[in-house]
Amino acid sequence: EAQVTQNPRYLITVTGKKLTVTCSQNMNHEYMSWYRQDPGLGLRQIYYSMNVEVTDKGDVPEGYKVSRKEKRNFPLILESPSPNQTSLYFCASRGLYSLHFGNGTRLTVT
Amino acid sequence: AQSVTQLGSHVSVSEGALVLLRCNYSSSVPPYLFWYVQYPNQGLQLLLKYTTGATLVKGINGFEAEFKKSETSFHLTKPSAHMSDAAEYFCAVSDRYNNNDMRFGAGTRLTVKP
Repeated sequence: EAQVTQNPRYLITVTGKKLTVTCSQNMNHEYMSWYRQDPGLGLRQIYYSMNVEVTDKGDVPEGYKVSRKEKRNFPLILESPSPNQTSLYFCASRGLYSLHFGNGTRLTVT
Repeated sequence: AQSVTQLGSHVSVSEGALVLLRCNYSSSVPPYLFWYVQYPNQGLQLLLKYTTGATLVKGINGFEAEFKKSETSFHLTKPSAHMSDAAEYFCAVSDRYNNNDMRFGAGTRLTVKP
């Protein structure tokens, strides 16, 4: 089954404690991206990747890092999380036109 | 840059009634347009898309949308609402020459009353 898999689904952490959210896709898509979803704001792009070793900033990249060492994986790294990064995060990969989304990671930073 | 405006953050309809969710876009180049649906605790799923060709596009679950260039609109409709349609709906636009930049609206939460 074609899918984008994110882990974990829920994460509660404290300010400043480094964390990584993993994302993997099995559709051999070149393009992958990360979004955060906040009430009333829709989805905002954090980072995207056109292919292995090619990443670029989206609209809200501050406080986040990504890497793309393999085509299937695109982890999101928060090196020093802060409470304003409490949000719902989605990883996506793109086929010809549209995005395929993971089920989301709900992050709470206290 | 493109942008999307969804009119109405909440829409409530009765079961069996017409569903109309409004989306207006802004784009300096011919757009690709999308509607996604998000059920509770799930990611977004593609409902339908417009890329080229016929301006009336049909999607899953009986939904359809019409691309109206003169009105810069891409409203989503369904003739008869079902309880299972209750979800959040997002309209999105991307630039056909730069498909890396997909912009989402703020979303419309659809409630279906019995």
